[in-house]
Parts: sequence; C-alpha cells; structure tokens
Amino acid sequence: IVLTQSPDTLSLSPGERATLSCRASQTVSSRNLIWYQQKRGQAPRLLIYGASNRATGLPDRFSGSGSGTDFTLTISRLEPEDFAVYYCQHYDGSPLTFGGGTKVEIK
Amino acid sequence: QVQLQESGPGLVKPSETLSLICTVSGDSITSYYWNWIRQPPGKGLEWIGYTHHSGSTLYNPSLKSRVTTSVDTSKNQFSLNLRSVTAADTAVYYCAKWAEPLWAFDIWGQGTIVTVSS
Repeated sequence: IVLTQSPDTLSLSPGERATLSCRASQTVSSRNLIWYQQKRGQAPRLLIYGASNRATGLPDRFSGSGSGTDFTLTISRLEPEDFAVYYCQHYDGSPLTFGGGTKVEIK
Repeated sequence: QVQLQESGPGLVKPSETLSLICTVSGDSITSYYWNWIRQPPGKGLEWIGYTHHSGSTLYNPSLKSRVTTSVDTSKNQFSLNLRSVTAADTAVYYCAKWAEPLWAFDIWGQGTIVTVSS
C-alpha cells in the first residue's frame, strides 16, 4: 500500500489551522493509520493512532480523522512548536509503509 | 519508561556490512517487537524490519536479501546487520518499539548517523 501525503509543504502562521492529507492507494483499516511528528534533528514522535486517537499527553489542538483511503491530520491553532514534518504510517502485515511527509513551515 | 539507544560505527565502507545495536532499558526485551527504521539525509522514513525474542522476524521486501536482525536477551539488546552496503544506505538509523495495541511505534531511539563511504 502506498501512502501519498499532501501538500509537500504547508506555509502557515502561528494561530492558523493546518490540514494535512494522507491518501492510501487502497482501502485500509482506520485501526492501522498512524501519524507522527518529526522536528529537525529529532526522532519521530507518535501523535495519532487508529486514525483518530491522540497519544498520551498530546494537546487537543491535534486531531485525526478519515476512513477508507483518505485520512486527515488537523492542527486547529498552530503553536510555534508545531512547525515540523508530519508523516502518516500504515501497517497490516507487510510491508509497513510511511507517507512521504508534509512539512509545516512558518509563513 | 522504556528507553532505546543505538550504537555502532558511523562510517562503513562500500560492499561491507553495516552493524548496529539497540540497547533497551526500562523493560524486558522479551515483552515487545523491536524495529529498525532509517531516514536518508533530507528524505522520508523507511521501515527496515522487526525482530522478536522468539526468533520471529519480518523485513521490508526491498531490503530483505541484505538484512538480518536478532535479539540478545542476556544483554537486553537487539541488532541490525545490513550487508553489501552502498552510498544509498547512508542514513540515520533508528530503533523503535512496536506498541501492538496501537499498531504504532511509541518509543524511538535518538537515531545514529551511518555514512557509507570509502
């Protein structure tokens, strides 16, 4: 399964809403759709599992949604620390795949 | 809280074998599935494969012919061997814990940079 993320880059200002897309090449279970955040020079960090469940301690400005082939990560009001690269991931057997990432940068 | 730390040579010659170790602290290595993931400079994430103390492994088909992983329960470590490396294998290599109920990697090592060059 191929995951296609769009856009490649999102240029926004703090306080704005960010909407990131992850599209699967075929229907996948929502249980298997994951989102990570990666800041420069750091390892990825789990944000969302099961398409819509926030990881422990994640602020509620982050939300995930979607089903079938189309999934969305939304950041309701961007904080300075949210500017990073975001990846979606899917696994249902083999192989585990990541999307190409969306960079959220300061406008 | 589980913590992971990668270690190994930062420079490997072409055609040789890249060998890395991930040391697990804070829990027993027998409790989970353990993964390797890599990220070439400026690019996205690529899953390499997982290993379990039972001997169970699963590898990315794109790397399967060159990859071996294993678990050393006596040292609470797991390892990656990638054979016949080329410059395309230059990347940051991460080890990560698979959280089975979440179908996600919930704990990552800090990553180690491996450069393939003569």
